[in-house]
Amino acid sequence: GIQVEQSPPDLILQEGANSTLRCNFSDSVNNLQWFHQNPWGQLINLFYIPSGTKQNGRLSATTVATERYSSLYISSSQTTDSGVYFCAMWGGSEKLVFGKGTKLTVNP
Amino acid sequence: GAVVSQHPSWVICKSGTSVKIECRSLDFQATTMFWYRQFPKQSLMLMATSNEGSKATYEQGVEKDKFLINHASLTLSTLTVTSAHPEDSSFYICSARDLNRWDTEAFFGQGTRLTVV
Repeated sequence: GIQVEQSPPDLILQEGANSTLRCNFSDSVNNLQWFHQNPWGQLINLFYIPSGTKQNGRLSATTVATERYSSLYISSSQTTDSGVYFCAMWGGSEKLVFGKGTKLTVNP
Repeated sequence: GAVVSQHPSWVICKSGTSVKIECRSLDFQATTMFWYRQFPKQSLMLMATSNEGSKATYEQGVEKDKFLINHASLTLSTLTVTSAHPEDSSFYICSARDLNRWDTEAFFGQGTRLTVV
């Protein structure tokens, strides 16, 4: 099946710093999504990005299908950005395959 | 955006009892709903996929008789944990997608934290 690998597993930043999270996948990209899981467990949709680049405020995401990776860029991080970031991709059997996540901690 | 509502947010039940969790798509028709389980500090694990009006498809290793899934309408799916035991304690999350639109994304409920005592 499809493998989705995320890096780094953990990331600690000072408020105001920038960061890039990476997602590599083993198969052709198909409807890739980025999520932020907040401390209460809620999964918040960040981007639906099968290809190209999208931006939403301080966050942007890029998917390069030919190189089988996607990246999430967070600029001027805030403490509220803390949580776990997941990328996930739809497999051929119409199942969403998740990476193991990147735990981000932003310190004041 | 699309909204998926899950209820309850948390529940504590006694061992041996059953617990029902509801998942509703509020502003779109969910042709397919998914149920996940998440252990602490781990990723989401797909338990089953349910299509409206048909039986759910369970992932390998998931007990069908313990985790009963019903998808009675295009906006409601339920997960019933039967004869719950402490090892069933976990965070359960539902997701919904409108597969009539092939390019739509999945949206998630708030999750339910189940504690079996």
